[in-house]
Amino acid sequence: GDQVEQSPSALSLHEGTGSALRCNFTTTMRAVQWFQQNSRGSLINLFYLASGTKENGRLKSTFNSKESYSTLHIRDAQLEDSGTYFCAVATGGNNKLTFGQGTVLSVIP
Amino acid sequence: EAAVTQSPRSKVAVTGGKVTLSCHQTNNHDYMYWYRQDTGHGLRLIHYSYVADSTEKGDIPDGYKASRPSQENFSLILELASLSQTAVYFCASSPGQGFSDYTFGSGTRLLVI
Repeated sequence: GDQVEQSPSALSLHEGTGSALRCNFTTTMRAVQWFQQNSRGSLINLFYLASGTKENGRLKSTFNSKESYSTLHIRDAQLEDSGTYFCAVATGGNNKLTFGQGTVLSVIP
Repeated sequence: EAAVTQSPRSKVAVTGGKVTLSCHQTNNHDYMYWYRQDTGHGLRLIHYSYVADSTEKGDIPDGYKASRPSQENFSLILELASLSQTAVYFCASSPGQGFSDYTFGSGTRLLVI
């Protein structure tokens, strides 16, 4: 089965509000990476975490390897935050990434 | 600025024809990868390479070949394109130790008709 499960699959937020996206792993993972795929289809690195919490502007991510999950918190959502958010983990060797199915975020005025 | 550049940006191919997608990186990374994204889904690994003149199969290699003639260049080859290969293809590079420096290209949108 899938090693990486993301929830929710879709989310709508009004500008200025916030929410959390979740990434669950079926086995213990060393680290997680979060990407945003923007409206042009480009993949943008957001966070790489091997443990703990990282914050960048309105985004914050945590990684709990013991309980096999990671979260991405968005606060004060802006229209440009719309897009699809993916979490990915390295599986096997050689830095091969396994992606979740993504969360489609729509920020509405 | 270090980057991963893909060409072409988009392509329409005929069923049964040969398609070559190209990728060039200036990151000086050892590892390069080809991923495929289908509408509404995450990316899946097709082929990868960790050294020039050598390629490895990923999770979904059937129907694809890869070529790594140099550290900077990595190509994906569809010898006999099929309708099911319509997708967006992403190339990426990484240094191999940790994946915090994973860098993706902008993608190639392939339509097979």
